[in-house]
Amino acid sequence: EPEVTQTPSHQVTQMGQEVILRCVPISNHLYFYWYRQILGQKVEFLVSFYNNEISEKSEIFDDQFSVERPDGSNFTLKIRSTKLEDSAMYFCASTESRSGELFFGEGSRLTVL
Amino acid sequence: SQELEQSPQSLIVQEGKNLTINCTSSKTLYGLYWYKQKYGEGLIFLMMLQKGGEEKSHEKITAKLDEKKQQSSLHITASQPSHAGIYLCGADGIGNQFYFGTGTSLTVIP
Repeated sequence: EPEVTQTPSHQVTQMGQEVILRCVPISNHLYFYWYRQILGQKVEFLVSFYNNEISEKSEIFDDQFSVERPDGSNFTLKIRSTKLEDSAMYFCASTESRSGELFFGEGSRLTVL
Repeated sequence: SQELEQSPQSLIVQEGKNLTINCTSSKTLYGLYWYKQKYGEGLIFLMMLQKGGEEKSHEKITAKLDEKKQQSSLHITASQPSHAGIYLCGADGIGNQFYFGTGTSLTVIP
């Protein structure tokens, strides 16, 4: 069964460093999302991406964050200068259509020291 | 923005017992999704409900959508330790946003 894959599964970084989280959505999917879950808290929407541009973003998704689909298969989330509060599990998701089932990756755990 | 409130926040049940988790929306639900998250892991899709009054079952898990109440319930019959995890409801919001509920942590004691 096709699946969304994310790398790395866990990354530890120093505060102020740049981090890139990678996702490979399901190949025929057109809508892509990033979510984050701070330990013990709810899953929060970060950004949605369609037709090579951001379609929606939350207030969490500030100038420190950016997304890119560099090569037609990868979908990346970049955090320019990480802060302690960026420590969280980051989930990528994709869907074939606007109202279709969201398929989630296993998540990338980011720890900022 | 749309808010999805889940109750209870956490649940501890004895193996074999039935349980129900509720998800209440602040706005009209046009589609409601249930996901399960094992602690520290990814999100597993359980069910999607789109029509008012719709009910779906998968193995021992049944979910219902009541649009009038802007609410959905997830019912597990004869719970097992494998059911343990965090259950999240989710819904389509305005634009391309998708919102998750506050989550319900389920512990099943053997």
